[in-house]
Amino acid sequence: DAKTTQPTSMDCAEGRAANLPCNHSTISGNEYVYWYRQIHSQGPQYIIHGLKNNETNEMASLIITEDRKSSTLILPHATLRDTAVYYCIVPSGTASKLTFGTGTRLQVTL
Amino acid sequence: NAGVTQTPKFQVLKTGQSMTLQCAQDMNHEYMSWYRQDPGMGLRLIHYSVGAGITDQGEVPNGYNVSRSTTEDFPLRLLSAAPSQTSVYFCASSRPAAGYTFGSGTRLTVV
Repeated sequence: DAKTTQPTSMDCAEGRAANLPCNHSTISGNEYVYWYRQIHSQGPQYIIHGLKNNETNEMASLIITEDRKSSTLILPHATLRDTAVYYCIVPSGTASKLTFGTGTRLQVTL
Repeated sequence: NAGVTQTPKFQVLKTGQSMTLQCAQDMNHEYMSWYRQDPGMGLRLIHYSVGAGITDQGEVPNGYNVSRSTTEDFPLRLLSAAPSQTSVYFCASSRPAAGYTFGSGTRLTVV
């Protein structure tokens, strides 16, 4: 898996956009970027993934730089329920296994 | 469509006992994995499978066995429980190159 680097923690005001960065400078041409989150002690939740085009779904948007060495997960209108640890993962091949790092702890406040 | 179902949700074992954590998925996913998460720590991969009859070791496989006789089921066996195996265990499944769906976890305490 390509190594990823994320900030340890971030704060965001409720209703504002949360922008979570991830560096993955050693990513290979055919490797996807995946984002997951874990709310308290629940099982991790898949959010979104992408290769090189920007992606959007009902949960978030994923912006990948043109050189693919970094990406940003955007939660457009953060709520208190978005408080969680967010993981950026770049697995090898067809993502048969995931390696979780330490992630970014996002705290959404009133 | 139940997703990924893990049983039991809670378990207390005595040192040296063995047990099997069950994991079943009804999404016809080829990939399945087991993770453990110690208190305040990240998830670590124990074993994974890319299809029925195929399993491989992850980062922390010692003390655990798995088998994958069907697409739906991926049980995790603790051979001789130790206090160091006190953890929360998560099972997950996925199609190739898609996102994993995780179960709600089994909270295991070994005394």
